[in-house]
Amino acid sequence: KQEVTQIPAALSVPEGENLVLNCSFTDSAIYNLQWFRQDPGKGLTSLLLIQSSQREQTSGRLNASLDKSSGRSTLYIAASQPGDSATYLCAVITDSWGKLQFGAGTQVVVTP
Amino acid sequence: GAGVSQSPSNKVTEKGKDVELRCDPISGHTALYWYRQSLGQGLEFLIYFQGNSAPDKSGLPSDRFSAERTGGSVSTLTIQRTQQEDSAVYLCASSLQAYGYTFGSGTRLTVV
Repeated sequence: KQEVTQIPAALSVPEGENLVLNCSFTDSAIYNLQWFRQDPGKGLTSLLLIQSSQREQTSGRLNASLDKSSGRSTLYIAASQPGDSATYLCAVITDSWGKLQFGAGTQVVVTP
Repeated sequence: GAGVSQSPSNKVTEKGKDVELRCDPISGHTALYWYRQSLGQGLEFLIYFQGNSAPDKSGLPSDRFSAERTGGSVSTLTIQRTQQEDSAVYLCASSLQAYGYTFGSGTRLTVV
């Protein structure tokens, strides 16, 4: 059974520092991994999708890496801003049927 | 539209009443999820539709909950005889097979 873990559960950094968020999964046979952001009381916004054949994806200040063999993905956010404060969730798809499995999330606070 | 549309955005109902929540997925998307998120909690899987396959209903919390997807497109989540513990944000997501999920903004349900 696939288990997805996100560490740390919460993180507080001063503005300008780089953020490193970790996601690990127990079954390396994944199809895709997707990172989402959730603001309080809101839905989920997709940040990056990494397909199983890829090692990383980049969008602006965001970079996500994927190491299937070790069951890990890392989301890097460069030069953090107060607007980056949110909960970040990773989700994996481990079968061709496409069922998502989420981690519990990392709550990020960026202080001015 | 270009995104996943959910209606209503907010719903207040009296305990014991039935409610229907609607999700319009992105056109052509074969996979559709319902999740709920109670205040301060993580995402709770409810039901998953994929193409013409039988849905995965394993997450529905009780027989008061049901969902259908008509014509492989619009989905309706129905909660009968609502209880106060049903109060939550109900989120819908859709995807073309397993290639990245897009979430709607959710329906905030309050049972009074």
